[in-house]
Amino acid sequence: GNSVTQMEGPVTLSEEAFLTINCTYTATGYPSLFWYVQYPGEGLQLLLKATKADDKGSNKGFEATYRKETTSFHLEKGSVQVSDSAVYFCALSGGSYIPTFGRGTSLIVHP
Amino acid sequence: EAQVTQNPRYLITVTGKKLTVTCSQNMNHEYMSWYRQDPGLGLRQIYYSMNVEVTDKGDVPEGYKVSRKEKRNFPLILESPSPNQTSLYFCASQGATNEKLFFGSGTQLSVL
Repeated sequence: GNSVTQMEGPVTLSEEAFLTINCTYTATGYPSLFWYVQYPGEGLQLLLKATKADDKGSNKGFEATYRKETTSFHLEKGSVQVSDSAVYFCALSGGSYIPTFGRGTSLIVHP
Repeated sequence: EAQVTQNPRYLITVTGKKLTVTCSQNMNHEYMSWYRQDPGLGLRQIYYSMNVEVTDKGDVPEGYKVSRKEKRNFPLILESPSPNQTSLYFCASQGATNEKLFFGSGTQLSVL
């Protein structure tokens, strides 16, 4: 079956530091890949997505590239802000209505 | 505005007292689902529905029921809640395969 593995947190950074959150997946076929973000006290919301190999999703300064050869979709941001503190979920959707989520990575950004 | 609405936002109850958490979406989505979120375990799917009157179990369905009598509504029912069902619950909907999920704001449930 499908699975998503993402790095455990929490990830603690100082403001303006570079962020990488690793995500790898196992799936048959050609899934779409997603990053969702959950701010404190809120539900998840889509941060970015990519639908095919070598696609780059981007939003709010975050980027992730769909790497089929390494089955990865790592999330990056060049300069994090305190307001980026949240839980980040990597997910895939493999052509059915049933998405697969990673366990989430908590990001804490200090001023 | 496209949204998924869950109620209540917070709920404290006692063991064995039946409760219902409501979920409604205004996007005419066919797919709806329920998740619970627990520390260290991420999101786990409880039940999902592909359309009206079509529901199926997710990864952790024990102790829960759902119904889908109308396309917009997908309530989660706990017939006899137990303390191990204390959790943060999310409802979600999706318009088509490989599209994003829309999530509700969550329901924090405490069963004493």
